[in-house]
Amino acid sequence: SQQGEEDPQALSIQEGENATMNCSYKTSINNLQWYRQNSGRGLVHLILIRSNEREKHSGRLRVTLDTSKKSSSLLITASRAADTASYFCASGPTSGSRLTFGEGTQLTVNP
Amino acid sequence: EADIYQTPRYLVIGTGKKITLECSQTMGHDKMYWYQQDPGMELHLIHYSYGVNSTEKGDLSSESTVSRIRTEHFPLTLESARPSHTSQYLCASSGGTLYNSPLHFGNGTRLTVT
Repeated sequence: SQQGEEDPQALSIQEGENATMNCSYKTSINNLQWYRQNSGRGLVHLILIRSNEREKHSGRLRVTLDTSKKSSSLLITASRAADTASYFCASGPTSGSRLTFGEGTQLTVNP
Repeated sequence: EADIYQTPRYLVIGTGKKITLECSQTMGHDKMYWYQQDPGMELHLIHYSYGVNSTEKGDLSSESTVSRIRTEHFPLTLESARPSHTSQYLCASSGGTLYNSPLHFGNGTRLTVT
């Protein structure tokens, strides 16, 4: 399986509900990043959490990191139709190598 | 939105043609990257650059080549396009420590080779 797997692959919710997406990775990381991609566009950086952090907030976004389980979650609270997009996690290695992206979660927020 | 620009946005071209995908950024970032992404799939790094005159191949084998003659410009060239090259190509840049800073992406070039 891929480094940076995301779960679920697709999520459909109603406006106002919370959306939770999970990401797992395989190797030791320096940081874990989350990005959003609207259909047909490039990725937009949302939040970066370092390996020594457990939780981080930015507006309606809350990211957690559990390095013992090699997993992270992204919570979007009070979702809006405009949050409809694909969400990717990307793991930043401790040394050398490449930023590895997951397969993404397609979030649909219905008005 | 980040100041990183890709042209063209869409390109439909016949097999065997030579093409160059343009990418420019105005943020003065020293690191730039090319990713390939099929619809609904993950991103694969195909090339990256630490700075002027520095280029490296990424994780995904690619028949494309890149150059970095100026800080702001990182074009990708396919000498002979094939249908297997049909994909979306995303350019990105970053200004911090390698992979410890956010990437800024362009809006991509969607390439179709017939």
